[in-house]
Amino acid sequence: NAGVMQNPRHLVRRRGQEARLRCSPMKGHSHVYWYRQLPEEGLKFMVYLQKENIIDESGMPKERFSAEFPKEGPSILRIQQVVRGDSAAYFCASSPPVASGRAWQYFGPGTRLTVT
Amino acid sequence: QQQVKQSPQSLIVQKGGISIINCAYENTAFDYFPWYQQFPGKGPALLIAIRPDVSEKKEGRFTISFNKSAKQFSLHIMDSQPGDSATYFCAASMEFGNEKLTFGTGTRLTIIP
Repeated sequence: NAGVMQNPRHLVRRRGQEARLRCSPMKGHSHVYWYRQLPEEGLKFMVYLQKENIIDESGMPKERFSAEFPKEGPSILRIQQVVRGDSAAYFCASSPPVASGRAWQYFGPGTRLTVT
Repeated sequence: QQQVKQSPQSLIVQKGGISIINCAYENTAFDYFPWYQQFPGKGPALLIAIRPDVSEKKEGRFTISFNKSAKQFSLHIMDSQPGDSATYFCAASMEFGNEKLTFGTGTRLTIIP
């Protein structure tokens, strides 16, 4: 059973460009979470999604950031008009439903975004 | 009140010693407390977790101690090994599963021979 997959692993964008980060959850996992990790800091929650629904976006900046988890395909975190402050590691985690009794979050390897 | 405070920021322990990392929280609604281990360039991996209804949980060399009245919990690594050198994060959530995690700021642990 493959783990959570994220791509690309490294992404370089110039200021003003768009960044698209992809996350494929583990098989059987219908819940996806995005976190951001700034250098030398802990992970900060951004958004929690189920298939086709945003459940909690309380950690998402109001502008330029959006996330989706379509019925088919990976979850996408999109950052429009990137700025230098967006440079960070972005981690995706997935979990199965609580009813499974094993609903802890499994993390992917992250996408390291560098804005030049 | 959503914050989780973690200390120390960095820790150096001799091989075979006990590594202790502490966390404190304010929000009494937190109901699930996992610890994650992260190696450089990798994503965090769940190490061990505890619910407030128990005061201690042990898995191999790793033990969580939980003090509900003090709103504190700690990770103890017994017989620390060089392979334990990593960054450790405590976290908390309102309930187990399908809920966002609030992370501490991390502890960089180095085990020296």
